Amino acid sequence: GENVEQHPSTLSVQEGDSAVIKCTYSDSASNYFPWYKQELGKGPQLIIDIRSNVGEKKDQRIAVTLNKTAKHFSLHITETQPEDSAVYFCAASLSGAGSYQLTFGKGTKLSVIP
Amino acid sequence: DAGVTQSPTHLIKTRGQQVTLRCSPKSGHDTVSWYQQALGQGPQFIFQYYEEEERQRGNFPDRFSGHQFPNYSSELNVNALLLGDSALYLCATRRGAKNIQYFGAGTRLSVL
Repeated sequence: GENVEQHPSTLSVQEGDSAVIKCTYSDSASNYFPWYKQELGKGPQLIIDIRSNVGEKKDQRIAVTLNKTAKHFSLHITETQPEDSAVYFCAASLSGAGSYQLTFGKGTKLSVIP
Repeated sequence: DAGVTQSPTHLIKTRGQQVTLRCSPKSGHDTVSWYQQALGQGPQFIFQYYEEEERQRGNFPDRFSGHQFPNYSSELNVNALLLGDSALYLCATRRGAKNIQYFGAGTRLSVL
């Protein structure tokens, strides 16, 4: 089955700096890669996603890049703010034919220092 | 528009007992998946329900079972609880062939 590795496990940045979180996946058939943000006491919230036919996607301060050949994808957050502090999870999925199971990485705890 | 709602929010059980967790999907969503999230870990897929049938299952024992009702809501049942079943149980829902899954806030289960 699919295996997703996520690094780093913890990340501290100064407010205004950029943060980068990296993930690798094992199943070359995976074609959908979402990123979730989880705040304390809450469920994961989708912040951005990318499909395998796209190399990069941006949404304001957040961007995701995908390298299918190397089987890795990354989350980039620019101009970080204290409210960006949370645990971030990457996930991979083979979507289609009724299969939408998400395989998650172990998470990155991001701390933005004011 | 209500999002994904789960009940109860917290639950304390003892080893050997049985538990039922509930999930109401986001409006318009017809597919429900359940995930187990141990402390400090990413969510792990348990199973997925669509059209009242289990369509896909992760690596979880038969003690974990589920049900989906005609209104698309779902239940997760766990029998013969073990200490290791202590975790946050998350429900995620989506619509049709759409990839995007929305998560509820979860049920925190503690097994003593």
